[in-house]
Amino acid sequence: QSVLTQPPSVSGAPGQTVTISCTGSSSNIGEGYVVHWYQQVPRAAPKLLIFGNTNRPSGVPDRFSGSKSGTSASLAITGLQAEDEADYYCQSYDSSLSDWVFGGGTKLTVL
Amino acid sequence: QVQLQQWGAGLLKPSGTLSLTCAVSGGSFGGYYWTWIRQPPGKGLEWIGEINHWGTSKYKPSLRSRVTMSVDTPKNQFSLRLTSVTAADTATYFCARVAKDRGADYWGQGTLVTVSS
Repeated sequence: QSVLTQPPSVSGAPGQTVTISCTGSSSNIGEGYVVHWYQQVPRAAPKLLIFGNTNRPSGVPDRFSGSKSGTSASLAITGLQAEDEADYYCQSYDSSLSDWVFGGGTKLTVL
Repeated sequence: QVQLQQWGAGLLKPSGTLSLTCAVSGGSFGGYYWTWIRQPPGKGLEWIGEINHWGTSKYKPSLRSRVTMSVDTPKNQFSLRLTSVTAADTATYFCARVAKDRGADYWGQGTLVTVSS
């Protein structure tokens, strides 16, 4: 049971838009801690996709965007491409646990 | 280009000690939190802890009694020791660079550590 809750899977056709939610609580996202998002393809290390709720590292396409509101955050992917098929994880910090916390991960399937 | 290269034993017996090292090249060693994260087979990510170039460390509370991290600043390396391992510690272990509020932007290649008798 992850502290941050993500849907186990989402899917979309090429060109479509998908959104992945990340629901936390008042001791993590709701307390103002930033949310980061990672993309992980099989047998590879995760890749930082969004940091500080809404910021993209250099080299990440602007098809990827992050948002945060209250105790939740979201990752939106527009113009889906086959190469976007991967697992996506959100991450924040929890003050009551004194611990980084991750979502359980969401598997994106491009139909 | 920042690179993290990690190494260590991949097969351990129960009650043994996990030992991994990560070497950083191509960037500054100071000003970051050098972090270990693990991922059990088929499961999600779990933060283990972090250390800075001064040697100040912070560990996951549930692992604190078994974890030690160290840093060799002149060599730009940092290490992880996890004692009394069990099958539950079987995972791919990643080292990563973290800047405050900027996430883990560079990662090592990962090391699969299997605990089995």
